[in-house]
Amino acid sequence: EDQVTQSPEALRLQEGESSSLNCSYTVSGLRGLFWYRQDPGKGPEFLFTLYSAGEEKEKERLKATLTKKESFLHITAPKPEDSATYLCAVQVSNDYKLSFGAGTTVTVRA
Amino acid sequence: GAGVSQSPSNKVTEKGKDVELRCDPISGHTALYWYRQRLGQGLEFLIYFQGNSAPDKSGLPSDRFSAERTGESVSTLTIQRTQQEDSAVYLCASSFFSGGPYEQYFGPGTRLTVT
Repeated sequence: EDQVTQSPEALRLQEGESSSLNCSYTVSGLRGLFWYRQDPGKGPEFLFTLYSAGEEKEKERLKATLTKKESFLHITAPKPEDSATYLCAVQVSNDYKLSFGAGTTVTVRA
Repeated sequence: GAGVSQSPSNKVTEKGKDVELRCDPISGHTALYWYRQRLGQGLEFLIYFQGNSAPDKSGLPSDRFSAERTGESVSTLTIQRTQQEDSAVYLCASSFFSGGPYEQYFGPGTRLTVT
């Protein structure tokens, strides 16, 4: 059975304090790993897709990396507007639905 | 362009009543997905549609849940005889299908409360 585990559950950061979120996965045949951001009361907002080990993608203060067993979302010098729940999801090669982790809630204090 | 839209944004219903939730996907996206997010929990897959192929209903929790899609446009998720455990945010997403990219774009969700 496909499993996606995110850690930590919650992360409190001071503005400017860089950190990383982890997403570990156990799947048979990864098609893609997806990162989303979700603000309270809203639907998930797409951030990145990673397809193969070694791949990296960046967007503003966010950088996502992928290995054969896990993905990291690095937040560099975060700002209060980066506060959100970050969701990781996997899609396997013989299917199209996403299997989500429980998310990491990030709070950045000014 | 326009994103995925869902209606209503909020729905309060009495236990035992039927409800219909609507989703309008992004134009050109051939695949459409429904997910459920219970309070404090992760998203769980319900059903997806791809063109004229038979839908993947493997995530529907019971036979009280059903969904339809007309061609590559609007979809409705119907919950019959609602129960309190059906209270959740129902999220719709759409994507391209064959050839990728496969990222799914989500709507704002419908918050369903069963009293």
